[in-house]
Amino acid sequence: GAVVSQHPSRVICKSGTSVKIECRSLDFQATTMFWYRQFPKKSLMLMATSNEGSKATYEQGVEKDKFLINHASLTLSTLTVTSAHPEDSSFYICSTQGGGRYNEQFFGPGTRLTVL
Amino acid sequence: DAKTTQPNSMESNEEEPVHLPCNHSTISGTDYIHWYRQLPSQGPEYVIHGLTSNVNNRMASLAIAEDRKSSTLILHRATLRDAAVYYCIRSYGGATNKLIFGTGTLLAVQP
Repeated sequence: GAVVSQHPSRVICKSGTSVKIECRSLDFQATTMFWYRQFPKKSLMLMATSNEGSKATYEQGVEKDKFLINHASLTLSTLTVTSAHPEDSSFYICSTQGGGRYNEQFFGPGTRLTVL
Repeated sequence: DAKTTQPNSMESNEEEPVHLPCNHSTISGTDYIHWYRQLPSQGPEYVIHGLTSNVNNRMASLAIAEDRKSSTLILHRATLRDAAVYYCIRSYGGATNKLIFGTGTLLAVQP
């Protein structure tokens, strides 16, 4: 199946700064990627669907101006958390659709964001 | 709204079969049932999926009720590496199969 990487694996930043998280599809050209976040001991929450070459589709309640998504190529989507605050501290996970036998999603290893 | 219901946790012994139940009573005719699992501090991984018929793969089996209102993920011989959170998910169809995760079942496997 598809291999998905994320960078960085963990990041610590000061409140008010912006943080960019990269999601790469290493062996598959992904027209669609998904971004999730997961708080400790909670389930994954879908934030947005990232479409190559077009604007992302955000889930209800997710601020598009705070969580900027760019999917400029078929192998890279980025999530930028702008003006991060401690409540944005979370585990951010991306996934790609396709590249597998059953059109299943392949998930990245996640990025742990801690905002001080 | 995940629209699936699973027990919060289950326990199993190593080498024994495990049956993980899921209720999805409001499922529509075109919704697939997917199972993913997540090990601690990792992204989820695909386990299996189905629509109407029972499905088998090298990881597990999926038994789907005739009325499709429930399903059961079967791990035939649990190992310690199977300890994870198992998510039963309805896909919402269409060209983009977005997944809405529920709370999942935390499976503990005892040696």
